[in-house]
Amino acid sequence: LAKTTQPISMDSYEGQEVNITCSHNNIATNDYITWYQQFPSQGPRFIIQGYKTKVTNEVASLFIPADRKSSTLSLPRVSLSDTAVYYCLVVPSGNTPLVFGKGTRLSVIA
Amino acid sequence: DTGVSQDPRHKITKRGQNVTFRCDPISEHNRLYWYRQTLGQGPEFLTYFQNEAQLEKSRLLSDRFSAERPKGSFSTLEIQRTEQGDSAMYLCASSLGTGEDQPQHFGDGTRLSIL
Repeated sequence: LAKTTQPISMDSYEGQEVNITCSHNNIATNDYITWYQQFPSQGPRFIIQGYKTKVTNEVASLFIPADRKSSTLSLPRVSLSDTAVYYCLVVPSGNTPLVFGKGTRLSVIA
Repeated sequence: DTGVSQDPRHKITKRGQNVTFRCDPISEHNRLYWYRQTLGQGPEFLTYFQNEAQLEKSRLLSDRFSAERPKGSFSTLEIQRTEQGDSAMYLCASSLGTGEDQPQHFGDGTRLSIL
């Protein structure tokens, strides 16, 4: 399984765009990149998933360069309610058990 | 779609007691996963089912732990002779196992505290 590396913590002011970059140098050909968000005392919530280039949904965008050795989760105009831990995961095809790291703790400040 | 449901949300018990947790997955999701999460760490995989078959168990799942999914719908996770180190959040997730890119959806967990 490809190991992921992401910043332990980030701070941002409300209304700013936040970009969280994750490196996964050993990603395999059939692996997907998946991001989850977790609030205290809740389970992780799926945000977005992609294989290559760019994926966008109503919550976030995911940018994946051609070599796929890294990915960037982009959160537009964050609010206080976006304060959470964000996990980057590399998921082999076939929907196998997920391997979580420690994630990035995002703190949004008013 | 009511989401993944876990019961109870909190459980406090004395060391040495047995506890059982229940997970109701999203309907029609044939894969069901159990994870454990301790403070400051990401969730760690314990075991998973496809329908009623238990396909994989982590080395974290000692012989005091047992999981079942008898009819391929809800699942139970039992811990016998609980120890202090079992204190954690126990998370359940489900997914459609047919597609390569079907994400896992998590419940809000059962927080276990061992006195």
